[in-house]
Amino acid sequence: AQSVAQPEDQVNVAEGNPLTVKCTYSVSGNPYLFWYVQYPNRGLQFLLKYITGDNLVKGSYGFEAEFNKSQTSFHLKKPSALVSDSALYFCAVRPHSGAGSYQLTFGKGTKLSVIP
Amino acid sequence: EAGVTQFPSHSVIEKGQTVTLRCDPISGHDNLYWYRRVMGKEIKFLLHFVKESKQDESGMPNNRFLAERTGGTYSTLKVQPAELEDSGVYFCASSQEGTGFSPLHFGNGTRLTVT
Repeated sequence: AQSVAQPEDQVNVAEGNPLTVKCTYSVSGNPYLFWYVQYPNRGLQFLLKYITGDNLVKGSYGFEAEFNKSQTSFHLKKPSALVSDSALYFCAVRPHSGAGSYQLTFGKGTKLSVIP
Repeated sequence: EAGVTQFPSHSVIEKGQTVTLRCDPISGHDNLYWYRRVMGKEIKFLLHFVKESKQDESGMPNNRFLAERTGGTYSTLKVQPAELEDSGVYFCASSQEGTGFSPLHFGNGTRLTVT
C-alpha cells in the first residue's frame, strides 16, 4: 500500500523568502505525484504533478517541486513567498498501475503561514 | 466551466439520523470520486465511479455508507445511521479521464458533524 509523509504540520516563512514544504512517499513501482492547496472553506486545488521525465516540475502560482527517486521525496518549493500563499498544502501519490491505481493517497497536510 | 458543486456545505445531525450528501461533477467528467477527511487525519479515498458504475469502493468504511450515481451525472452519499466517528469533511472530485495522472477537480466539501 502507498503512503505519504509530510513531516511538518506547520511551516512559517517571511514574505519574500524562499519556501519549502516537504513530502516523502512510499509506493510500489513508479509514482504519480501531486501537490494540492486548500484555502479556507474551499476545496483542494491542483498545483502541479510529476508523471515522468524532468525531475523538476513547475506548476501554478510560481510553485515548483523536485522529484528525487533515491530519497523518495517530492518537496514543494517557491523562490519568493507571498502572503497570499498562506494555506494548507497536501502532497499525494498514485501508483502507475495495480490495485489502488485510481486512488490518491494524501499526506496529513502542512499549514503554510507567510508572515508579512 | 462550472466547478464541482457539493450540497450542503455544512450538516449537523444527531447520532442515529440519516444524512445524504450530493455532488455535481464538472459536466462531461465520467470519473467521480468521494474522499473524506476526519479531523486531524489524512484525506482518505472512499470510492470511484466511472459513469454510473462503481469502479472501486474499497475505501467505504462500512455498510452504513451508500453511494449512488444514477444516470452517470450527479452522485449522492448516504450515511444511515450516522455515528459520531462519521464526522468530518466529505470531498467529491471529478476528472475527465480515468488515467492515473489526470488531476482531480475537487468540490468545496461538506462538513458533517454528528452529535
